[in-house]
Amino acid sequence: GIQVEQSPPDLILQEGANSTLRCNFSDSVNNLQWFHQNPWGQLINLFYIPSGTKQNGRLSATTVATERYSLLYISSSQTTDSGVYFCVANNAGNMLTFGGGTRLMVKP
Amino acid sequence: NAGVTQTPKFQVLKTGQSMTLQCAQDMNHNSMYWYRQDPGMGLRLIYYSASEGTTDKGEVPNGYNVSRLNKREFSLRLESAAPSQTSVYFCASSDRGRTDTQYFGPGTRLTVL
Repeated sequence: GIQVEQSPPDLILQEGANSTLRCNFSDSVNNLQWFHQNPWGQLINLFYIPSGTKQNGRLSATTVATERYSLLYISSSQTTDSGVYFCVANNAGNMLTFGGGTRLMVKP
Repeated sequence: NAGVTQTPKFQVLKTGQSMTLQCAQDMNHNSMYWYRQDPGMGLRLIYYSASEGTTDKGEVPNGYNVSRLNKREFSLRLESAAPSQTSVYFCASSDRGRTDTQYFGPGTRLTVL
């Protein structure tokens, strides 16, 4: 099946800093999503982005399908951004595969 | 809209006991899923239901059974719980299957002693 790798595994930021999270996948995808799991365990869908670029407030994501990677940008980070960010991919006939996640801590 | 709801939120079982986790969605989605998340890991698919009346195994189906009761409800049953099934269980739904955005419930934290 498809392999999904995320980097970095852990990230500590000072409030206000910017960051880029990366997701590499081993095969072509027809579904690529970014999720945020907050410290209370709730999973929130951030982007559905099998290709192209999307923006939502301070967050944006870009997927370059031909090069098999996706990036999640967090600008002007806030303490509420803390949690785990998962990249999730799926290709035809396969199951959704979650990456290992990036654990983000934003310090005040 | 409540979205995806799960009950119970927490459960403690003894080895060998059985229980059913309930999931319901009010978004009129066709597809529903059950995942488990072990500490420090991503989610793994247990079972999914592409549409009412169909169910298929996911990555880790052993020890579980599911029922797609109707379009809204998808339950997960542990017939004889084992400590290895201690995990957080998430239900999700989507409109057009696995290539579409999935919406997750709040999770059920299960401990098997």
